[in-house]
Amino acid sequence: DAGVTQSPTHLIKTRGQHVTLRCSPISGHKSVSWYQQVLGQGPQFIFQYYEKEERGRGNFPDRFSARQFPNYSSELNVNALLLGDSALYLCASSFVLAGAVDTQYFGPGTRLTVL
Amino acid sequence: QKEVEQDPGPLSVPEGAIVSLNCTYSNSAFQYFMWYRQYSRKGPELLMYTYSSGNKEDGRFTAQVDKSSKYISLFIRDSQPSDSATYLCAMRGNQAGTALIFGKGTTLSVSS
Repeated sequence: DAGVTQSPTHLIKTRGQHVTLRCSPISGHKSVSWYQQVLGQGPQFIFQYYEKEERGRGNFPDRFSARQFPNYSSELNVNALLLGDSALYLCASSFVLAGAVDTQYFGPGTRLTVL
Repeated sequence: QKEVEQDPGPLSVPEGAIVSLNCTYSNSAFQYFMWYRQYSRKGPELLMYTYSSGNKEDGRFTAQVDKSSKYISLFIRDSQPSDSATYLCAMRGNQAGTALIFGKGTTLSVSS
């Protein structure tokens, strides 16, 4: 079975531009979460989606938005990019939203560089 | 005070050593505790998963949770060069939609 897949692998943008990152969860998983990992830090929670609805949101500005599609894949959008948005963006999928089996499995990430 | 504290290291040990990695936390609502391994420029890989207090063993890895002290540990026995990576502790509460809160990660280097 394929794991969590993310595209693109790498991305270079300039300040003020917009970016869309994509994620496909493990087959059968209905929950997708997005995290930002700045170099030297642990991942920070951005969003969680379950059954196409936002179920949790971290402390990120409104420039960050996301959505989940009927096939459970997801997009993360970031508008008006800042230098500080340069990071590894991680997508994680899980089978259920909460409970003992809600373990999150991460994809390889998309490395975004903002110049 | 950050919710999860983890010494970033780096930690260097010889092959075959026993490694101890630790995290402390401040939020008593945390119920689920995980350890992830992250190789350079890769996504985190789930190693161990523990609910509430207690010990869990999987091969060379042992995870311990002491909720009374708000302290979790990961022990690696007979460490191998392939164990060289960054180890992230993560934890969350019981409610639906709660996020994983990560430590900064500890960078481990095992030399042969």
